[in-house]
Amino acid sequence: QKEVEQDPGPLSVPEGAIVSLNCTYSNSAFQYFMWYRQYSRKGPELLMYTYSSGNKEDGRFTAQVDKSSKYISLFIRDSQPSDSATYLCAMRDGGATNKLIFGTGTLLAVQP
Amino acid sequence: DADVTQTPRNRITKTGKRIMLECSQTKGHDRMYWYRQDPGLGLRLIYYSFDVKDINKGEISDGYSVSRQAQAKFSLSLESAIPNQTALYFCATSGPTDTQYFGPGTRLTVL
Repeated sequence: QKEVEQDPGPLSVPEGAIVSLNCTYSNSAFQYFMWYRQYSRKGPELLMYTYSSGNKEDGRFTAQVDKSSKYISLFIRDSQPSDSATYLCAMRDGGATNKLIFGTGTLLAVQP
Repeated sequence: DADVTQTPRNRITKTGKRIMLECSQTKGHDRMYWYRQDPGLGLRLIYYSFDVKDINKGEISDGYSVSRQAQAKFSLSLESAIPNQTALYFCATSGPTDTQYFGPGTRLTVL
């Protein structure tokens, strides 16, 4: 079993829809959770970063962490064609190594 | 100018050849990383370095070696390339926090 599981998609939604992207994980030591966005032929860029459980909002993006269920989510409100990309979750424990474990990524297409 | 640059951006080579991928960063970070990305497998860590004198293996280091020539430069070598090393390779940097900044990637094809 992989430490981090993520549905690869593809996920296709109409413009304006609410998008929900999810990851599950097995390592209860994970404390830091991130979402990266990767456009085609580009490197991943950090979108959201959260520590421990709870919600974090940034514009149209909301990240949720439920450590009791080992489940994290990224919500995108009023989705736009420019949101079309691969979304990767990443996480790590509280150690000093800063080694991230990535999900495989979900390919999102927002149709105009 | 980009904070993290990788050269070359694309490379096609033959089995058995030695290949070097280079990474440079202008962010002043001490920590640098090499990942490979494969469809269905996500990003996997090959090597990482926390300073010029510190090199550590990641989860898939076999067949690869690295050199940290300076704080800003971290190169990845494939001593004898094989077809299953065909992948997208990313360099990343970070400070002491979690935010890793990625380069644009190198697409490597081994025939």
